Amino acid sequence: KAGVTQTPRYLIKTRGQQVTLSCSPISGHRSVSWYQQTPGQGLQFLFEYFSETQRNKGNFPGRFSGRQFSNSRSEMNVSTLELGDSALYLCASSLEGGGDEKLFFGSGTQLSVL
Amino acid sequence: SQQGEEDPQALSIQEGENATMNCSYKTSINNLQWYRQNSGRGLVHLILIRSNEREKHSGRLRVTLDTSKKSSSLLITASRAADTASYFCATTQTSGSRLTFGEGTQLTVNP
Repeated sequence: KAGVTQTPRYLIKTRGQQVTLSCSPISGHRSVSWYQQTPGQGLQFLFEYFSETQRNKGNFPGRFSGRQFSNSRSEMNVSTLELGDSALYLCASSLEGGGDEKLFFGSGTQLSVL
Repeated sequence: SQQGEEDPQALSIQEGENATMNCSYKTSINNLQWYRQNSGRGLVHLILIRSNEREKHSGRLRVTLDTSKKSSSLLITASRAADTASYFCATTQTSGSRLTFGEGTQLTVNP
């Protein structure tokens, strides 16, 4: 089985722009979670999607949004980028989610905001 | 704030030695997991221990869980240079379904 695929691997944007990141989960996995990782804040939970519905949401401003498609692929969008949004964005998938399963992570998208 | 706190923040040992990392958490949990991350890459799941378990083994890994002290430890025996990575604990609270990660321990194994 192919692993979790995240695109693009690297991204450079300027303040005020918006960005869309993509995640393809492992085949058969219906839960997709997104995390932001920074040196100062560590791994912070953004949101979780299951069967095209947002099931859980972290404490991030509304500029951060996401969606999931019927094939379980997910995208996250960040609008009006700020310097502090520079981070490694990680996507993880699991069969059903819910916290009792191990997560399978992609390699991440490294976003730099200039 | 993070649910888990890890100790030490950084650990440097020689190949062949054992490495022990500790994780403490604040609220009741359903399970605790350990993940490993090589620099700038995604996390890889190592082991999951449920709240009713006290110890679990997987290859050179040994994980213990003490729910009364709200703590867990990860022991890597006979470490190798390839074990160099960051190690994170992650918990699922009884009241929720999301995984909350600790701050991680950076392990360096010197050849």
